[in-house]
Amino acid sequence: SQQGEEDPQALSIQEGENATMNCSYKTSINNLQWYRQNSGRGLVHLILIRSNEREKHSGRLRVTLDTSKKSSSLLITASRAADTASYFCATDAPFGVRGGGADGLTFGKGTHLIIQP
Amino acid sequence: DVKVTQSSRYLVKRTGEKVFLECVQDMDHENMFWYRQDPGLGLRLIYFSYDVKMKEKGDIPEGYSVSREKKERFSLILESASTNQTSMYLCASSPHNKGNTEAFFGQGTRLTVV
Repeated sequence: SQQGEEDPQALSIQEGENATMNCSYKTSINNLQWYRQNSGRGLVHLILIRSNEREKHSGRLRVTLDTSKKSSSLLITASRAADTASYFCATDAPFGVRGGGADGLTFGKGTHLIIQP
Repeated sequence: DVKVTQSSRYLVKRTGEKVFLECVQDMDHENMFWYRQDPGLGLRLIYFSYDVKMKEKGDIPEGYSVSREKKERFSLILESASTNQTSMYLCASSPHNKGNTEAFFGQGTRLTVV
């Protein structure tokens, strides 16, 4: 089952603008992570926010987490053409929560971000 | 530089063939995962292993099996490949640490079953 759902599915903005992507999830979590994927490649970890944290920064990235609403947002400030990629949120639930006895991250379907030069 | 390496970037196999996808990590991670990625469906977990010789089914294990004989290697096996298994396959590993479960991904294997 898909735990995280990103919104929007696709986003196109001008270089220099800020990009905001949202993620909603369903179960309790240990942490929530954001990943980036360039076309046809593997995923690269961007940032992790723990369930007891509300906001985290890393360079031009800002992540918020609202566990009461089961939602998170990723903000990329001063976007660059090189930020063009797909962005995925992933939740790490306590063992057994996601069902089937399996652990591991549960990914959403992603937001495809295009930065127009 | 930490690394997860998948044996092939591109693979073309015939329907009914037995297919092995290999993944090796050099980070001494306990956890290893196999996902498949399809347009509009995102990443879906096929199988997961948290230790040598241990395996757990993910969300879509049907038609697949796995093998973890050594800590660094996690193999995905398609017993009899079918066209609906055409997909991008992603291997990942992570440490067994609930405080920091960042996953490291391989570059992906794009499998086409004809």
